[in-house]
This record gives sequence, C-alpha cells and structure tokens, in this order.
Amino acid sequence: EPEVTQTPSHQVTQMGQEVILRCVPISNHLYFYWYRQILGQKVEFLVSFYNNEISEKSEIFDDQFSVERPDGSNFTLKIRSTKLEDSAMYFCASVGRLYNEQFFGPGTRLTVL
Amino acid sequence: DQQVKQNSPSLSVQEGRISILNCDYTNSMFDYFLWYKKYPAEGPTFLISISSIKDKNEDGRFTVFLNKSAKHLSLHIVPSQPGDSAVYFCAAKEGSGNTGKLIFGQGTTLQVKP
Repeated sequence: EPEVTQTPSHQVTQMGQEVILRCVPISNHLYFYWYRQILGQKVEFLVSFYNNEISEKSEIFDDQFSVERPDGSNFTLKIRSTKLEDSAMYFCASVGRLYNEQFFGPGTRLTVL
Repeated sequence: DQQVKQNSPSLSVQEGRISILNCDYTNSMFDYFLWYKKYPAEGPTFLISISSIKDKNEDGRFTVFLNKSAKHLSLHIVPSQPGDSAVYFCAAKEGSGNTGKLIFGQGTTLQVKP
C-alpha cells in the first residue's frame, strides 16, 4: 500500500542552524502539506503546496520557513535559522486529485538545543 | 483559536463495549470532517470521514455521525478492541476542493481494557 515517507525520523540541531526535513508523498498525489505538533499540543497546519507553489500558509510559517519540490518526488521543509520553539514533530501529508483524505507520514522529530 | 474541540482528553472502555468519541466545531464553513488515529511516535492514520451533506458514514466497526445544527460529530467504535487504544483526532477541512487545510482538535486518548 502506498505511503508517505519522511526522513530523518529524528533531527537534533543547534539553535540558529538550518535544517531540511524531507518527505516523499504518495506518487500520484498532487497536493502537499506540512503540519507540526509541539509536545502536548494540537497538530497545527503550516503550509499547503500545489502546482509548485504555496496555496496557503499559517501565521507560524514566517520568513524562516520555506518549502520546495525540487525533483518531482521529494517535498522539503527548510527552516533557515532554528529557534528553541521550533522543537516539534513535523508531519508531511498528501492528497490525491479526487479525494479529501490527507495521508500523513510518520513524522520527523526536530529537537533544537 | 478553538474551531475544533474535543472536550474529553481521555476515555476508558471495556473490550467489546462501545467507544464514543465526541467533537464540536464552531465554523459553519467546514465541509468535510475526518477522524485520525495516532499511536506514539507515528503519524496520524486516516480512519473515517464524512461530508457535510451527510449525517452518517459507516465503515466496519467505525461509524461517524454528524449533527450540523449542533455543530457536533461523534465516532462510534463497536465493538471496541484493545488494539483500538490510541489517540483519536477529529479534524475539519475548510475550503473547497482538495487544497483545504485540516484543523485538528486536541485529541482524545482511548484506552480499551481487555
């Protein structure tokens, strides 16, 4: 069964460093998302991406964040200068053309020290 | 911003009995609702969904009920099994088409006792 994959599963970084989180969405899906969940809090929407551009972004998704689909399969989230409060689980999700159900990857745990 | 609320942080039921998880929402523009199940250290797994034009959707042991006038939905699991023990998230989709973001509730931790 097709699934969304994410790498790495755990990323530890120093405050101020850049990180890139990677996702491989389900192959025939067209809409891509990033969400995050800070420990003990809700899953929060960050950004949606379609047709090689951002469709919508939340207040959290400021200038320090960017997304890219560099090669038609990978979908990346970059945080340019990480802050302590960026520590969270980051989930990638994708959905196909005819469906409403978003399918999530296993997540990347980002720890900023 | 509490557009989607799950007021019960936890629920404990006996194996074989019914589990009822509840969710309330405030935004009448939501047009699609989903339930996800999540185990620790894993991503949310899609469980069942319902369109705002329906009031019930059933899939095996799982049934979702939608009461639009009350802005309330519930997930029924019958019969409950120990493997159902997980965190259950209610989510609502805003916006037309496939690009709508999901807005999640806080989650309810279900424990099914053998």
